[in-house]
Amino acid sequence: AQSVTQLGSHVSVSEGALVLLRCNYSSSVPPYLFWYVQYPNQGLQLLLKYTSAATLVKGINGFEAEFKKSETSFHLTKPSAHMSDAAEYFCAVSERTSGTYKYIFGTGTRLKVLA
Amino acid sequence: GAGVSQTPSNKVTEKGKYVELRCDPISGHTALYWYRQSLGQGPEFLIYFQGTGAADDSGLPNDRFFAVRPEGSVSTLKIQRTERGDSAVYLCASSSQRGLNNEQFFGPGTRLTVL
Repeated sequence: AQSVTQLGSHVSVSEGALVLLRCNYSSSVPPYLFWYVQYPNQGLQLLLKYTSAATLVKGINGFEAEFKKSETSFHLTKPSAHMSDAAEYFCAVSERTSGTYKYIFGTGTRLKVLA
Repeated sequence: GAGVSQTPSNKVTEKGKYVELRCDPISGHTALYWYRQSLGQGPEFLIYFQGTGAADDSGLPNDRFFAVRPEGSVSTLKIQRTERGDSAVYLCASSSQRGLNNEQFFGPGTRLTVL
C-alpha cells in the first residue's frame, strides 16, 4: 500500500518569506501525487499534481512542487508567502486497488503567515 | 458551474441516533467518493461509486455505515446508531473519469458532532 508523510503539522512563516511544506511518499510504482489546500469551512482545492510529465510542477497561486524520486519527496514551495496563503495543506497519492482509484492523504500541514 | 455541494453543513445528533448526509456531485461526474476527516488528520477513504454501484466500500469502518447512489448522481451516506467516535467532517468528492491522475473535486463537507 502507498502512503504519504507530511513532516510538520504546523508551519509559521513571515509574510514575504519562503514557504516550504514537506511531503514524502512511499510507493512501489511510479506515483501520481497531488497537493490540495483547504481554507476554513471550505472543501479541498487542487493546487497542483504530478503525473510524470515533468518533475517541476507549477500550480495555482504561485505554488510549485518538485518530484524527487531519489528522495521520494514532493515538497511544496512558494517564494513569497502572502497572508491569504494561511490554510491547511494536504499531500496525497493516488492509489489503484481492485479497480478503485482513491487518494491516500497525509495528515496535513497548517500554514500560518505572520504579518 | 456549480461545484460539489453537501448538506447539511453541520449536523449535531445524540449518541444512538440515525443520520443521513447528502452529496450533490458535479453534473456529469460518474465517480463519487466519500471521505472522513477526523480532527488533526487527513481525509480517509470510505467508499467509491462508479455510476450507481458501490465499486469499493472497503473504507467503511463497520456495518453501521452505508451509502447509496440510486440514480448515479446524488449520494447519501447513512450512519445508524451513531457513536461519539463518528464525530468528524465527512467529505464528498466527484470526478469525471477513472484514473490515477484524475482530479477529484471536493465539497465543503458536513461536520458531524455526536453528543
